[in-house]
Amino acid sequence: EADIYQTPRYLVIGTGKKITLECSQTMGHDKMYWYQQDPGMELHLIHYSYGVNSTEKGDLSSESTVSRIRTEHFPLTLESARPSHTSQYLCASSETGYEKLFFGSGTQLSVL
Amino acid sequence: QKEVEQNSGPLSVPEGAIASLNCTYSDRGSQSFFWYRQYSGKSPELIMFIYSNGDKEDGRFTAQLNKASQYVSLLIRDSQPSDSATYLCAVTQTSYDKVIFGPGTSLSVIP
Repeated sequence: EADIYQTPRYLVIGTGKKITLECSQTMGHDKMYWYQQDPGMELHLIHYSYGVNSTEKGDLSSESTVSRIRTEHFPLTLESARPSHTSQYLCASSETGYEKLFFGSGTQLSVL
Repeated sequence: QKEVEQNSGPLSVPEGAIASLNCTYSDRGSQSFFWYRQYSGKSPELIMFIYSNGDKEDGRFTAQLNKASQYVSLLIRDSQPSDSATYLCAVTQTSYDKVIFGPGTSLSVIP
């Protein structure tokens, strides 16, 4: 079944640790996105990609980095996690030309 | 000025009433407009999209677009308690086809 998957669903980690949030989709979509959302707040675009080897920063400044080596995979990495990184991270994908976003279940990150 | 603005909530309507949600956007070149529903603790899900001026109906939902006024709305007829959620307006930007979200409007349907 075509879908978009995020792992882990929840992550509690100490300050200074390196973390990678995984996102994979089986829909063959070219475009992928990472959004950050705090409870009750709006979604902020932090990274997006048009395809393999294409990555761009979004509107919200983020210390995270992303890579797009394969069409289906768009991981997000934080080299040194801090409490200010505590948030929900949502991955989404869309087909080029339609921009209808399909979201994963999200990763709730807590940095202690 | 925010790129996408929505009427501040929370919005409360009685069961069976019409809920009206509004959204304005700043990028005059935007071409695609979306409404997402987000239940508490869940991810957003697409419920409506509209590309041309006018109305688009899908079941109990109607999206309305007026590009001259840079305005898009969502009407929910015969509102049900299960419609209680936050509704997010989203717009594609002209330059890079990025999808930008508004802050959302919280809707509560009272039985």
